[in-house]
Order: sequence, then structure tokens, then C-alpha cells
Amino acid sequence: DGGITQSPKYLFRKEGQNVTLSCEQNLNHDAMYWYRQDPGQGLRLIYYSQIVNDFQKGDIAEGYSVSREKKESFPLTVTSAQKNPTAFYLCASSIGMLGNTEAFFGQGTRLTVV
Amino acid sequence: SQQGEEDPQALSIQEGENATMNCSYKTSINNLQWYRQNSGRGLVHLILIRSNEREKHSGRLRVTLDTSKKSSSLLITASRAADTASYFCATDPREYGNKLVFGAGTILRVKS
Repeated sequence: DGGITQSPKYLFRKEGQNVTLSCEQNLNHDAMYWYRQDPGQGLRLIYYSQIVNDFQKGDIAEGYSVSREKKESFPLTVTSAQKNPTAFYLCASSIGMLGNTEAFFGQGTRLTVV
Repeated sequence: SQQGEEDPQALSIQEGENATMNCSYKTSINNLQWYRQNSGRGLVHLILIRSNEREKHSGRLRVTLDTSKKSSSLLITASRAADTASYFCATDPREYGNKLVFGAGTILRVKS
């Protein structure tokens, strides 16, 4: 079955630690996205990529980094510079850029700072 | 910045009743989309309506778009307990490029 896989489902981070969230898709989509969701709020865009080896900052990129070395993969690193990383992180992909096409979402990773 | 705002924030109805959720936005858009999110899960796309469309149907879903009022509504008819979820509208503001901006969502609870 085609889809987007995020791992792990739950992740715990100590203060000052970098952690990497995995996102893999087998939909052959060019565009991939990372969103952050906090309780009672909508999704906010962290980073997006329209093509391999290229990515752009979203609205809340500070403290995060990404790479897009393969079409199928778009990992997100939450660095120690992100002061409030506890949140639900969602990865998505689309055939073209969003707006004209629907987004397909993974099941999310819940990150907690301990 | 948050472009879309859903109303109400929460809605509780009995199974079989209709549920209506509204979304208002601030700037001109190309398209508007609705998504559903079950608790603790990813979002699932429900419907996309283009700025030149006024109404669209998909099964028990009916979406309307009024660009003059910058608003959209999602109607779920004959609701079921399985419809319990959060519902989000997402817009692609013309000045924002081809990216989606999500509202804070409406939490729908359907009681059986």
C-alpha cells in the first residue's frame, strides 16, 4: 500500500539533545512538508521541499533542520536551539505544491521533552 | 499567521443529526480544503473546492464557498459516531505561494 510512514510514534528528548524524526513516502510525490501541531491550534509549517536537494523554510523554521537527499525521505531534526519542542509533528506529501492538490499525511510523531 | 478560523470550536450532536462547521479566512485564496483528524492521528483530506466553485458534494459531505464573504461551510449529513473527529479548513492565500494555512479546527463529537 502507498502512503507516508513516520517514525517513531513517540519520542522523548532530554534538554540540549538533538533528535531526528523520520518521514518516508512511497507515493512518488515530489513535494514534502513538515508541520507542527500544538493543542488547540492549527498546523504550522516548519519546512517544505518541492524537489530533491532543495527545501525552503516555513513559518516556524527556527530550531529545526531538514534534508532531502532522496525523493522518498524528508527527515526533520529538532535541535537544542528549539526552546519549546514538545508538540505533535506531522509529515505530509503532495503530487504538486499544495493549494491545487491534496496533502497526504503520516500518522505523526509526538515529541516530549523530559 | 493563521488564515482560517473555524466556528464553532466544539460541537456535540446526536447520531443521525446534521453537523455544520464554518470557516472564515482573511485574504483572497485560490482553493480551500477540508481535512479530518481523528484523535492523535494524521489528517485525512476530505474535499477541495476551487475559488470559482460555490458548492461541492462528496458522499455525506457538502461544502460551500462564498468568496465575497470569505467563508466556507462543511455540512455532514446523517452523522455517525465514527464522524467524531477534529475538522480543519485549509486555504492557500494568493500572496503565500502554493502552501496551505490551517485553521485551529472544530472538534465534533457525535453521541450514539
